[in-house]
Order: sequence, then structure tokens, then C-alpha cells
Amino acid sequence: GAVVSQHPSRVICKSGTSVKIECRSLDFQATTMFWYRQFPKKSLMLMATSNEGSKATYEQGVEKDKFLINHASLTLSTLTVTSAHPEDSSFYICSAREGAQGYTFGSGTRLTVV
Amino acid sequence: GQNIDQPTEMTATEGAIVQINCTYQTSGFNGLFWYQQHAGEAPTFLSYNVLDGLEEKGRFSSFLSRSKGYSYLLLKELQMKDSASYLCAAPGAGAGSYQLTFGKGTKLSVIP
Repeated sequence: GAVVSQHPSRVICKSGTSVKIECRSLDFQATTMFWYRQFPKKSLMLMATSNEGSKATYEQGVEKDKFLINHASLTLSTLTVTSAHPEDSSFYICSAREGAQGYTFGSGTRLTVV
Repeated sequence: GQNIDQPTEMTATEGAIVQINCTYQTSGFNGLFWYQQHAGEAPTFLSYNVLDGLEEKGRFSSFLSRSKGYSYLLLKELQMKDSASYLCAAPGAGAGSYQLTFGKGTKLSVIP
């Protein structure tokens, strides 16, 4: 089946630095990828929709200048958390849509900002 | 918009049957998903319903009633490893709006 690879799985960074998270579709082309954030004991909240070759669409309340999304190819989307703060510590998950019904998730990235 | 509602927590006994309900209000309908998520891991696909009725897949079954905006996930012969969060999710129905909206998730605890 479809596989989405997400790296890194865990990252610890200092406050004020930037962190890049990669999401790759390994065996299919994904024109659209989705980025979610999940705080402890909460559900997944959509942050943005990443569109290959065009600007991402951000959900209300998500700062586009802080969470930079690049989808330069049909198999790779990246999320960069800029000037990270402790409140950005969370579990970030990407998802790619394959066909009408298939949503495949990456394994997630646990970000801790200290 | 999308509004998805499910219970926050449930507890059930090993070997028993449990039903997790989900009600939804969506602008348009493009199917309903159920996912399982263990703590610290990404969601894994369980089922997708687009037509009314019950779909059985091993120990897990999922039911949909579009007229009632209602779905449930049925887990039979519960095992300890079934302790997880179960997420009900619906995709957008507008042109190009395929992002999944998730319910808050139901945390299921299976006890001996």
C-alpha cells in the first residue's frame, strides 16, 4: 500500500531556532499533502494544506510566516517551524491523499522546544 | 463547515464488545473514516463508509446512516492491545477540499 515517510521522528531544539520536518510519499505522487498538529490528549488539528507547485492553504489561526510549507515536488512536502518557542512543542503529522479514499499518514514528528 | 462529535472516553472489558458512536454535521458528504491511534503514534486506517449500512472487517465493523448523520465503530472480542484512541473523521466535500476533519477522539481503555 501507499507509504508516507516522515522525518525526523523526534527533534529537540532550542527556543528561537528553526526546525524542518520532511514528508515524502514513497510509492505514489501526492499533489496534495496535509499537515496536522496534535497536543497531548487532543485530536489532530489541521494546520495547512500543501499544494504541489503553489502556495499552501493555512487554517484560521495558523501563522503562515511561522509555519513555512514548501511542496516543490510531487513526492516531498516540508514544514519548517521558524523561531520555535516552547508552546510549539507538539506532535506534527503529515498526510497525503492518494485517490478518492486513501489518506496515508506519516509516522509523526515529536517536537520539543527547550 | 464540519462538526464531528464522539464520546471522550470509554472503558470495556477484555473479550467484550464495545460500540463507539460518532455524529457528524458536514457541508456535503464524502464518506466517513475511522482511525485507530495509539499514544505517540500516527493514526492507522480502520474503515471508510460512504454508503448506509454495516461493513464488517474481522473484529472491527463500522456502520453509517447518512440520513441521521451517524456512524459507529464496533469492536468485538476486545483485546488489551485495542486500548487506543479511535478517531472519527470526514473529508471536505467541496471541489478540491479533501482535507480530513477529525473528531476529538474516543479514548478506549480495555481492562482485564
